[in-house]
Amino acid sequence: AQSVTQLDSQVPVFEEAPVELRCNYSSSVSVYLFWYVQYPNQGLQLLLKYLSGSTLVKGINGFEAEFNKSQTSFHLRKPSVHISDTAEYFCAVTRSNAGGTSYGKLTFGQGTILTVHP
Amino acid sequence: KAGVTQTPRYLIKTRGQQVTLSCSPISGHRSVSWYQQTPGQGLQFLFEYFSETQRNKGNFPGRFSGRQFSNSRSEMNVSTLELGDSALYLCASSFGQGGNEKLFFGSGTQLSVL
Repeated sequence: AQSVTQLDSQVPVFEEAPVELRCNYSSSVSVYLFWYVQYPNQGLQLLLKYLSGSTLVKGINGFEAEFNKSQTSFHLRKPSVHISDTAEYFCAVTRSNAGGTSYGKLTFGQGTILTVHP
Repeated sequence: KAGVTQTPRYLIKTRGQQVTLSCSPISGHRSVSWYQQTPGQGLQFLFEYFSETQRNKGNFPGRFSGRQFSNSRSEMNVSTLELGDSALYLCASSFGQGGNEKLFFGSGTQLSVL
């Protein structure tokens, strides 16, 4: 089984400051990693994903994440945040294909609420 | 291209009743997954359907069931509602070809059990 720990439940930051949202995962098998964002009263939207290859992954809205296998981490970063980035962010993991058992099944962290202040 | 559509948006039920939620996936997507989101438990996987067959299942009691129709639309049913079933229920669709796929989420159905 997989598990995901988001180390900060809330992160307040001022506009134009850099931000890092931390995510650690646990799995006995190889995994795919994702970051999703949820704006108020909306569903989740994919920011970026790590499948294989380069450990630095770039996503939408200026976000990027770095996969660190030795530390089992997948932290999300943005060099300069905007008010519009205020939302809840979820790190998620699924086992990389093994007989199809991963289809549609993501294990999510508890979420990090990012609040950007003017 | 229309996104994932969930109906109804809000629902209020009382304990002991049953409820059916509907999800229409993006055109061409054959996989529909359901998730329950609560403040205490976060996002938890319920089940996934592909081509009218349940392909994956989370750890929820048998009161939670679902089905998928030939047009890929899916319904989720909860019988004998309990207060703890109050949650936002999200469905997500994809082509269903592998775990590396992007899931497209609907806006959810907010269920309140009184």
